[in-house]
Amino acid sequence: KAGVTQTPRYLIKTRGQQVTLSCSPISGHRSVSWYQQTPGQGLQFLFEYFSETQRNKGNFPGRFSGRQFSNSRSEMNVSTLELGDSALYLCASSVAGEPGTDTQYFGPGTRLTVL
Amino acid sequence: TQLLEQSPQFLSIQEGENLTVYCNSSSVFSSLQWYRQEPGEGPVLLVTVVTGGEVKKLKRLTFQFGDARKDSSLHITAAQPGDTGLYLCAGLTGNQFYFGTGTSLTVIP
Repeated sequence: KAGVTQTPRYLIKTRGQQVTLSCSPISGHRSVSWYQQTPGQGLQFLFEYFSETQRNKGNFPGRFSGRQFSNSRSEMNVSTLELGDSALYLCASSVAGEPGTDTQYFGPGTRLTVL
Repeated sequence: TQLLEQSPQFLSIQEGENLTVYCNSSSVFSSLQWYRQEPGEGPVLLVTVVTGGEVKKLKRLTFQFGDARKDSSLHITAAQPGDTGLYLCAGLTGNQFYFGTGTSLTVIP
């Protein structure tokens, strides 16, 4: 079974631009979560989607948004990029997004650099 | 402010040595997970501990959940170069996991 895939793997943008990242979960997984990873703050939860609905949201500004399609693929968008948005963006999929029982499988991430 | 503090932040040891990584918080978690992340990859789940005082062993790795479910430790016996990576703990509170900043381990052959 193929793992979680993320595209693109690397991105370079300039301040003020917007960016869209894509995540394809493991087949049969309906929950997709997005995380931002930086050296200073570690892994921080952005949001979680299940059956095309945002079910949970972390403490990030409205510039960060996402969506999920009927095939469970997910995209996240960051508008008006800031230097501090430079990070590794990880997505993780699980069967039903039940944190007490499901295992999250992470993709390799998209490395975003904002200049 | 981090909900989970990991120590040490960096660790470099010789092959064959033992080590312990700590994950501490003032919050109570319903469960705690440990992940290992290698360069260019996402984190991979190693173990989930649920019960206070629980100890789980995975080959040379021993994981312990504190009695009060506020802290955890990861002990590696006879470290090998293949153990090199970033070790992350993640605590579950409510319906969200909160991750520590990680311990970067390098095992020198």
